[in-house]
Amino acid sequence: KAGVTQTPRYLIKTRGQQVTLSCSPISGHRSVSWYQQTPGQGLQFLFEYFSETQRNKGNFPGRFSGRQFSNSRSEMNVSTLELGDSALYLCASSPVTGRGETQYFGPGTRLLVL
Amino acid sequence: KQEVTQIPAALSVPEGENLVLNCSFTDSAIYNLQWFRQDPGKGLTSLLLIQSSQREQTSGRLNASLDKSSGRSTLYIAASQPGDSATYLCAVRFPQGGSEKLVFGKGTKLTVNP
Repeated sequence: KAGVTQTPRYLIKTRGQQVTLSCSPISGHRSVSWYQQTPGQGLQFLFEYFSETQRNKGNFPGRFSGRQFSNSRSEMNVSTLELGDSALYLCASSPVTGRGETQYFGPGTRLLVL
Repeated sequence: KQEVTQIPAALSVPEGENLVLNCSFTDSAIYNLQWFRQDPGKGLTSLLLIQSSQREQTSGRLNASLDKSSGRSTLYIAASQPGDSATYLCAVRFPQGGSEKLVFGKGTKLTVNP
């Protein structure tokens, strides 16, 4: 089975622009979660989608949004980019949502905001 | 506030040594705890998942233990090899309202010297 894929792998944007990142989960997985990883804050949870519905959300401003499609693929969007949004954005999938599930991570999208 | 702490932040050992990585968490009401490995610039690879009802899990040279009452987990690596060099992350799944969230520690960067 193919693993979690994320596109693009690298992005350079300037302040004020917006960006859309894509995540394709492992085939058959219906839950997709997004995380931001920075050297200072570590890995922080952004949001989780299950069956096209946002199930859970972390403490990020409204500039960060996401969605999930009927084929479980997910996108996250960041509007009005700030320098501090530079980070590795990781997507993870699991078969179903819930407390017992292992998450499988993609390679990440590295975003640099200039 | 639900927090996960990993000490030390970095560890350097000679090849062949047995070692222990530590993870502590602030709330004993957890669903599970997961250890991940992250290689530079890459995503996360799940190593071991311990459910709240379990005390330990083993995979090859890795053994993870969980003590909910004291809020601690350890990852034991036997006979370390240079290929074990990576950052090891501990993640705890806490209840949050009617859902749950995954909180990560900031990791321990392990270097195994040949």
